[in-house]
Amino acid sequence: DQQVKQNSPSLSVQEGRISILNCDYTNSMFDYFLWYKKYPAEGPTFLISISSIKDKNEDGRFTVFLNKSAKHLSLHIVPSQPGDSAVYFCAASGDFGNEKLTFGTGTRLTIIP
Amino acid sequence: DTAVSQTPKYLVTQMGNDKSIKCEQNLGHDTMYWYKQDSKKFLKIMFSYNNKELIINETVPNRFSPKSPDKAHLNLHINSLELGDSAVYFCASRGFYEQYFGPGTRLTVT
Repeated sequence: DQQVKQNSPSLSVQEGRISILNCDYTNSMFDYFLWYKKYPAEGPTFLISISSIKDKNEDGRFTVFLNKSAKHLSLHIVPSQPGDSAVYFCAASGDFGNEKLTFGTGTRLTIIP
Repeated sequence: DTAVSQTPKYLVTQMGNDKSIKCEQNLGHDTMYWYKQDSKKFLKIMFSYNNKELIINETVPNRFSPKSPDKAHLNLHINSLELGDSAVYFCASRGFYEQYFGPGTRLTVT
C-alpha cells in the first residue's frame, strides 16, 4: 500500500520555464512533507519542506505548495536550470517530522537547454 | 567535509555470504536510519536508531541486523545473503526535521 504517490515518472521542461512536480498522499496522519533531489550514484539531498500548518513555503527558486483537503503537494522550480535535472522524491512524515519518512517513487526531471 | 559517509560504495558478493556496511555521521544527530532502494527505485525505511537504541524495525528479515556502537555510527550486517538483497542501501541521520543521506552502497549478490 503506497501512501505517497508520484504519478509522473518523468518530466521534461525547457530551460528557463517552470517545472511543476506533483505528489499525492493517502495517510491523513502525515503532517510534514519534504522534497529531496537525487543525482545518479549519490544519496538524496534535502531541498525544501512544509508543515501541515502552512500551505506554501518558498526558498529561492523552489516553492512547495500543500493542499491538505486534496492531500496533494507540488514543487515548483522557476526558472528551471540544467543542473536541476535529477530525480525528485516527495516524502511525508507524521508527528511534525519526528516519525519515519515515507517516500514516493520519484519523478525524473530533465531540463532541456 | 562529508556529513554522512558509508563504506563500501560498491559490494559484490555471492549468495550465502555475510557482509557489513558501515555508516558514520559527523552532524551530531541522535537519530540514524537505514533505507533500501530496490530495483524499482522505491526508497523504503528498514531501521531507525535513536542514540544507540532501536526505535523502528520495518519487518525486515532477521538476516539483517543493525548495530550502533555509538550515536555517530550505525552499521548494517547481513547474514546469508540472497539474490533479492541486491539493492542500494542508504544510511541517513536526522536533524531537526529533515534527514541527511549518505552516498549509498550498491550491493550486488550473485
